[in-house]
Amino acid sequence: EVVLTQSPATLSLSPGERATLSCRASQSGSSYLAWYQHKPGQAPRLLIYDASNRAPGIPARFRGSGSGTDFTLTISSLEPEDSAVYYCQRRSNWPLMYTFGQGTKLEIE
Amino acid sequence: EVQLEQSGGGLVQPGGSLRLSCEASGVTFNTYWMHWVRQVPGRGLVWVSTIDSDGRSPLYADSLRDRFTISRDNAGNTLYLQMNRLRVEDTAVYYCARGERSGYYYGLDVWGQGTTVTVSS
Repeated sequence: EVVLTQSPATLSLSPGERATLSCRASQSGSSYLAWYQHKPGQAPRLLIYDASNRAPGIPARFRGSGSGTDFTLTISSLEPEDSAVYYCQRRSNWPLMYTFGQGTKLEIE
Repeated sequence: EVQLEQSGGGLVQPGGSLRLSCEASGVTFNTYWMHWVRQVPGRGLVWVSTIDSDGRSPLYADSLRDRFTISRDNAGNTLYLQMNRLRVEDTAVYYCARGERSGYYYGLDVWGQGTTVTVSS
């Protein structure tokens, strides 16, 4: 079973700065790696799929990269509304299953 | 506009049952795989279950397969999650979400609003 480890657990930055969020998989596998933004009281929002493709309507400030076991979500020029918990998720093909990381809380102060 | 409207949450005693529903609109429902994801209070997102487009191949998180059953009614554009022998630790917000299109995974791109399940005596 794949384990996704996200770091850091919490990230505190200021508006205009750049955030770098990491997601490390316990084993290499499919490139079906997605990133989500989750704010309290709302449904999660898909940001990135296939490790580096932005979902429709997602600003270019959000960029996904990586392959194998190491993946990164970079958010440039942070805005206050970017405060949220960010999750990576992977779809493994064999066995077929889905795994979320434990999340990174991003605070914009 | 694609929407997923959830219903069926609530308060149930330990050992009880509950069925969650997720009705889709604005989408060709029978071409997508569908998923359930939950969030225990104060914790992260956890994958619960997945069903393919024709409903023949359900998948479950290992710890839930003996108590939860996922199903779908493509004629009625509705996804279900039957939860039996509920435990206090099943207390969570449950989300339905749209997944694979024609078998390819583009992430969970449309989500329901979430429904709260509380298991307590």
